[in-house]
Amino acid sequence: AQSVTQPDIHITVSEGASLELRCNYSYGATPYLFWYVQSPGQGLQLLLKYFSGDTLVQGIKGFEAEFKRSQSSFNLRKPSVHWSDAAEYFCAVGVGNMLTFGGGTRLMVKP
Amino acid sequence: GAVVSQHPSWVICKSGTSVKIECRSLDFQATTMFWYRQFPKQSLMLMATSNEGSKATYEQGVEKDKFLINHASLTLSTLTVTSAHPEDSSFYICSARWGLSVDEQYFGPGTRLTVT
Repeated sequence: AQSVTQPDIHITVSEGASLELRCNYSYGATPYLFWYVQSPGQGLQLLLKYFSGDTLVQGIKGFEAEFKRSQSSFNLRKPSVHWSDAAEYFCAVGVGNMLTFGGGTRLMVKP
Repeated sequence: GAVVSQHPSWVICKSGTSVKIECRSLDFQATTMFWYRQFPKQSLMLMATSNEGSKATYEQGVEKDKFLINHASLTLSTLTVTSAHPEDSSFYICSARWGLSVDEQYFGPGTRLTVT
């Protein structure tokens, strides 16, 4: 069965600083990979996804993620964080019909 | 974009009572709807998958008789927590999918259930 690990439960960055959120997955083949953001009172919003092809994918809100097969990783990055990026971020793998989520990383942004 | 709503957004009920949560796809027809449960500061755990007009498929460990799921139309699914207990208190999130691809899935805002 597939699994997803997000090693960092909390991350605090200063506004304007760069950001990298880590995600590692376990699956026998290359799964579909996703990053979602969850803000209080709102549903999960898809930031970006990887299915195949170019391993660097661009998403909404200035986010990007890089798939590294050798490391089974799909880390999320943003060059300059805004205060509005404070939220919970979930990495997920899609296999067949199902999404399996990581434990989430809570991002806090210092002014 | 595709919008999924949930009602209510939060509910408090007494132990032993039942509570119903609605999930609606507002601007598309959902062939499949999913129900997740999220414990505080934890990830989403899939509870069940439902297709319109069919019985829901429950994940291992999820009590079918406690968490009743009905998917009566292409835009509405309901989750009824029967004989609720305090340990059922959680955040319940639905999602709806209009196609066959795993990425064509849109999430509702969630419902906070507190059982006293």
